[in-house]
Amino acid sequence: GAGVSQSPSNKVTEKGKDVELRCDPISGHTALYWYRQRLGQGLEFLIYFQGNSAPDKSGLPSDRFSAERTGESVSTLTIQRTQQEDSAVYLCASSPRLWRVTDTQYFGPGTRLTVL
Amino acid sequence: DQQVKQNSPSLSVQEGRISILNCDYTNSMFDYFLWYKKYPAEGPTFLISISSIKDKNEDGRFTVFLNKSAKHLSLHIVPSQPGDSAVYFCAASAQYSGGSNYKLTFGKGTLLTVNP
Repeated sequence: GAGVSQSPSNKVTEKGKDVELRCDPISGHTALYWYRQRLGQGLEFLIYFQGNSAPDKSGLPSDRFSAERTGESVSTLTIQRTQQEDSAVYLCASSPRLWRVTDTQYFGPGTRLTVL
Repeated sequence: DQQVKQNSPSLSVQEGRISILNCDYTNSMFDYFLWYKKYPAEGPTFLISISSIKDKNEDGRFTVFLNKSAKHLSLHIVPSQPGDSAVYFCAASAQYSGGSNYKLTFGKGTLLTVNP
């Protein structure tokens, strides 16, 4: 079956512009995660959506970052007034269940964001 | 403050030999550990995990060892194959310690190259 898809695969933008990144999770997956990987770093947790419950936004680095998800479908991560330090690969993952989620996160290929 | 550390950015081994990838952690609340494998331009894929109640978990050519007193884990690949060449990420969570068990904390990764 289809895996997690993300679009665009690459995005180059100018400092100060807004960008929107999209994630299509595996159909039926309840949980959805966004991570960020800056050059030479590990993956950083950004936000977690759990079904219809309030999302855990504790990993978002600033109020310029926001994310939405409608039900158990697509999610969008929006970065406003982008800065050069926002340059990174943004990864989305989905998980079928709400327990033992740590060994069932299926990752998309990521969106490489470059802020000039 | 890096809670999961992979101190070797790269490792090169000969086909057929053993690959040993190391990971150290500092947070004593971590009780569940995972290894993910990542090929270029793809998202990480889950490889193997271990709970803190065990000291070893084996799956085919892959074995993970956990030394809780040293806060150290390692991934052994025997025998190594050229197709194993990828970046390997160590990750940890507080699965059973309460709190947000879905949050994974990742190391920076180790690039493994298996030479034919």
